[in-house]
Amino acid sequence: DAKTTQPTSMDCAEGRAANLPCNHSTISGNEYVYWYRQIHSQGPQYIIHGLKNNETNEMASLIITEDRKSSTLILPHATLRDTAVYYCIVRVYRGSGGSNYKLTFGKGTLLTVNP
Amino acid sequence: DAGVTQSPTHLIKTRGQQVTLRCSPKSGHDTVSWYQQALGQGPQFIFQYYEEEERQRGNFPDRFSGHQFPNYSSELNVNALLLGDSALYLCASSLGGDRGLSPLHFGNGTRLTVT
Repeated sequence: DAKTTQPTSMDCAEGRAANLPCNHSTISGNEYVYWYRQIHSQGPQYIIHGLKNNETNEMASLIITEDRKSSTLILPHATLRDTAVYYCIVRVYRGSGGSNYKLTFGKGTLLTVNP
Repeated sequence: DAGVTQSPTHLIKTRGQQVTLRCSPKSGHDTVSWYQQALGQGPQFIFQYYEEEERQRGNFPDRFSGHQFPNYSSELNVNALLLGDSALYLCASSLGGDRGLSPLHFGNGTRLTVT
């Protein structure tokens, strides 16, 4: 699976948008970009995923560049509860019966939302 | 709707002992994966179970074994515990088979300490 690169840490003011970048320059055509976050002492929480189109749900937006070599997770109005480690993961889809459940986590980005 | 539940939440064992951790998947999910998370690191994939069989395995020794029951719940067993096995053990559930890209839902983990 493709490797991802994320900044170690970022700060954001409460109420402002948090933009978390991720580089995945070796991504293949059948690999999806997933974002998870982990709040201290909890298990990782799924946020969003996408292949090549931009995606939005109730938690966040995912912007994937046209060449798919990088992406940005956007939390539109960050709150103190969004302080967490955010993981960008590339997950391959091999079709029927061969789906990849092995998520390769890096160290992620520690996002600190400040009052 | 109960999410992924794991038991126990904390456990202390002595080097050389054996341990069994338990996981109940989110309602409606049929696939369980296990991850190990050392302090300050991202989770590392151990293995995944679907239809009561181990389908995919990460780079972990045979001391790590598992089982999935007909009700989809799962156990992780670790034999001959080493100090380095001290970690947070996470269980994740999802939909398997042809529903390949179903997001993983994680429990809050079992904190294992080996002394």
